[in-house]
Amino acid sequence: NAGVTQTPKFQVLKTGQSMTLQCAQDMNHEYMSWYRQDPGMGLRLIHYSVGAGITDQGEVPNGYNVSRSTTEDFPLRLLSAAPSQTSVYFCASASGRGFGQPQHFGDGTRLSIL
Amino acid sequence: QKEVEQDPGPLSVPEGAIVSLNCTYSNSAFQYFMWYRQYSRKGPELLMYTYSSGNKEDGRFTAQVDKSSKYISLFIRDSQPSDSATYLCAIHMEYGNKLVFGAGTILRVKS
Repeated sequence: NAGVTQTPKFQVLKTGQSMTLQCAQDMNHEYMSWYRQDPGMGLRLIHYSVGAGITDQGEVPNGYNVSRSTTEDFPLRLLSAAPSQTSVYFCASASGRGFGQPQHFGDGTRLSIL
Repeated sequence: QKEVEQDPGPLSVPEGAIVSLNCTYSNSAFQYFMWYRQYSRKGPELLMYTYSSGNKEDGRFTAQVDKSSKYISLFIRDSQPSDSATYLCAIHMEYGNKLVFGAGTILRVKS
């Protein structure tokens, strides 16, 4: 059982480039989310989705777009990368619509913006 | 003030010690309490999950919740070098679908 799979594991971008971080889960979870993790800041929610076709903003959504066309996939797009977006990005999923449910995480994408 | 406060450490203990990790929170609407363990260059993995005040045990790990004080703890008995990781508390509101994380405490268990 693969759980939550994120690709790529590492990426280096130049300022202004665009990129899509991929996330897929095979647990048939309705709820999926994206976090960024920065030193001393913990995990901060970027965007989340409670099902196909439904997305909403989290704590730090600026500069990021998401869409959810299938239950399994929840890609995160950086439209014009900035050095402030250098971080480790984690995708997570949870059963139901996420109410009170523990989240299962992928192993992250380490992104550097030069 | 952050909604969830957690001492970042690092906390360094000898093998076999009892470890106490703590978080405080400010919103009394928080009802579900979790502890995640994160090894270097890996994603967080769920360690403990509870929704009521009191203690919950799982092997060497005990999660404690005191809703009246808005204080949660994770105790690790007989700590092992393999317990060296970052421990994150995470809290959920009863009717919300967003987890709020503490900053994480780095634990090092020396053999």
